[in-house]
Amino acid sequence: GEDVEQSLFLSVREGDSSVINCTYTDSSSTYLYWYKQEPGAGLQLLTYIFSNMDMKQDQRLTVLLNKKDKHLSLRIADTQTGDSAIYFCAESGVETGANNLFFGTGTRLTVIP
Amino acid sequence: KAGVTQTPRYLIKTRGQQVTLSCSPISGHRSVSWYQQTPGQGLQFLFEYFSETQRNKGNFPGRFSGRQFSNSRSEMNVSTLELGDSALYLCASSLRQGGGNEQFFGPGTRLTVL
Repeated sequence: GEDVEQSLFLSVREGDSSVINCTYTDSSSTYLYWYKQEPGAGLQLLTYIFSNMDMKQDQRLTVLLNKKDKHLSLRIADTQTGDSAIYFCAESGVETGANNLFFGTGTRLTVIP
Repeated sequence: KAGVTQTPRYLIKTRGQQVTLSCSPISGHRSVSWYQQTPGQGLQFLFEYFSETQRNKGNFPGRFSGRQFSNSRSEMNVSTLELGDSALYLCASSLRQGGGNEQFFGPGTRLTVL
């Protein structure tokens, strides 16, 4: 079955870059996502990448995918206090034919002013 | 365009009772998925509905069920509640079925079972 792993905590200083890492096991995973969850809120889709891509950039966010190592990372440039939240990576596969996502445990990002 | 709405936002029930949660997807979205989020198990997929049919189901007991109406609104029901059912229940909507479709999540319903 699918297994998605993330480190639990990350602390960075305001203005620095944050890098959140994720590993997954399902080689058939086709889409990989990053979601953000703020306290008491649902999940906000930040970005996603198709497995035939190596990199995707969207403003302050950069996603890197190493398909060989099944490693996904999210880099947040110029991290702000408003970026403090839990970040989830998730995967889905076309083969499942459905929208079910498999989520990692989440990484709690704390931005120190 | 309004986002995904879930009602109620908070709910307190006692063991043995049953509960119904509601989700209204984004207008035009036909796929609705449900997830359970707990501190111990994290985010787990419950089921997905598309065009009023359950398309996929996660590994949850039969006490968890759902349905979708012709206007794409969805409800999930949990019968014979257990303490372990206390969780944040999240609903997500997407335009179509299938991997790669952006899923937009609602704020969730926080269920507490006493």
